[in-house]
Amino acid sequence: EVQLVQSGAEVKKPGESLKISCKGSGYSFTSYWIGWVRQMPGKGLEWMGIIYPGDSDTRYSPSFQGQVTISADKSISTAYLQWSSLKASDTAMYYCARQDFDTLTPDYWGQGTLVTVSS
Amino acid sequence: QSALTQPASVSGSPGQSITISCTGTSSDVGSYNLVSWYQQHPGKAPKLMIYEVSKRPSGVSNRFSGSKSGNTASLTISGLQAEDEADYYCCSYAGSSTYVVFGGGTKLTVL
Repeated sequence: EVQLVQSGAEVKKPGESLKISCKGSGYSFTSYWIGWVRQMPGKGLEWMGIIYPGDSDTRYSPSFQGQVTISADKSISTAYLQWSSLKASDTAMYYCARQDFDTLTPDYWGQGTLVTVSS
Repeated sequence: QSALTQPASVSGSPGQSITISCTGTSSDVGSYNLVSWYQQHPGKAPKLMIYEVSKRPSGVSNRFSGSKSGNTASLTISGLQAEDEADYYCCSYAGSSTYVVFGGGTKLTVL
């Protein structure tokens, strides 16, 4: 069974750094992209970027380029999303999703990590 | 503003059929047969319902179907049931610089 398990909810202050995780199991972690998707409170889904754990090839949405960093550690089947300096506007639910190698279609999703940034 | 345009809301009575549209451009929906649809219940993660325009993953009811014409994709749900009430999002491949785009989402209400 394919599973993506994300790290728990975080409460941070503006300016702090953060790294959240997404651990894959039940499939070959190095054969699919892992993507990250933001959902701000009461809003829709926004695609942020992807990483291919097989070779760490990383692509970003133009809207998120330079705002976040996506990485992965294939030895522990885990992908990461990190911020160096959080803003209140980063408050959102963040989902990871497995994405097909060829079509980039997100198929399996993690349960989400709620990030709250407040002073 | 989302890259793909969906109606904010649609509604229907149990047993009826509804269709949700998803309008993109010649750079995304119109150029690739790589449109997918997701169902999201409140407080839950999205669930893949349709991929590659009209294919259903294993376990998804055949009441859900997809199609595409030009720059517009559509999701049709037939025989509406109470449990279909949710938010629905379309998604498309958008080429090698933008990669993936989502629609703004449509709230389906089963009356």
